[in-house]
Amino acid sequence: EVHLLESGGGLVQPGESLRLSCAASGFTFSSYVMSWVRQAPGKGLEWVSGISGSGASTYYADSVKGRFTISRDNSKNTLYLQMNSLRAEDTAVYYCANVMTGSRAFDYWGQGTLVTVAS
Amino acid sequence: SYELTQPPSVSVSPGQTASITCSGDKLGDKYACWYQQKPGQSPVLVIYQDSKRPSGIPERFSASNSGNTATLTISGTQAMDEADYYCQAWDSSTYVFGTGTRVTVL
Repeated sequence: EVHLLESGGGLVQPGESLRLSCAASGFTFSSYVMSWVRQAPGKGLEWVSGISGSGASTYYADSVKGRFTISRDNSKNTLYLQMNSLRAEDTAVYYCANVMTGSRAFDYWGQGTLVTVAS
Repeated sequence: SYELTQPPSVSVSPGQTASITCSGDKLGDKYACWYQQKPGQSPVLVIYQDSKRPSGIPERFSASNSGNTATLTISGTQAMDEADYYCQAWDSSTYVFGTGTRVTVL
């Protein structure tokens, strides 16, 4: 059974940093593109960042480019999101999700971790 | 940047058919997929590659994609189908979500 478990969320002040983790199990982690998707309180879904199975290719939404860095450790079956220079508008539940091979659809989602940026 | 537009809300009576549209420029040239999200829960993929259902998704969920519009149809809508629905496509190395539609089963 596929399982994705995010951690690392919390309350931070504007300008601070936070690193999110996503522990994966139940599938061959290194074979799958992975992504982070966020949802601000009461708002819709927003794709944040994606990474290829090997980690060689990374992609970012314009809203986070230059501030967030996605990475993965395939030996630990773990996905990361390093978030720097956080802003109030980054406040959201952050989900990790794997991408179904060949479809560019998010097949499985974690339960999410809440990041709150406030002074 | 690419945008996908959905109606904010759709109401349907139990047992009737609900249709949710998703509009985007030449969306029919891309694969569209759909997610269901119930309050306090993570999204669930209900349709991928325009019209395919993942394992475990009821047959009452169907979809199509042509021209500038993708459509999710829920036939014989049940109370358990009350949720937010999001379309999604991939464009220029980014994943784009629709604005979301709240389906209310009256």
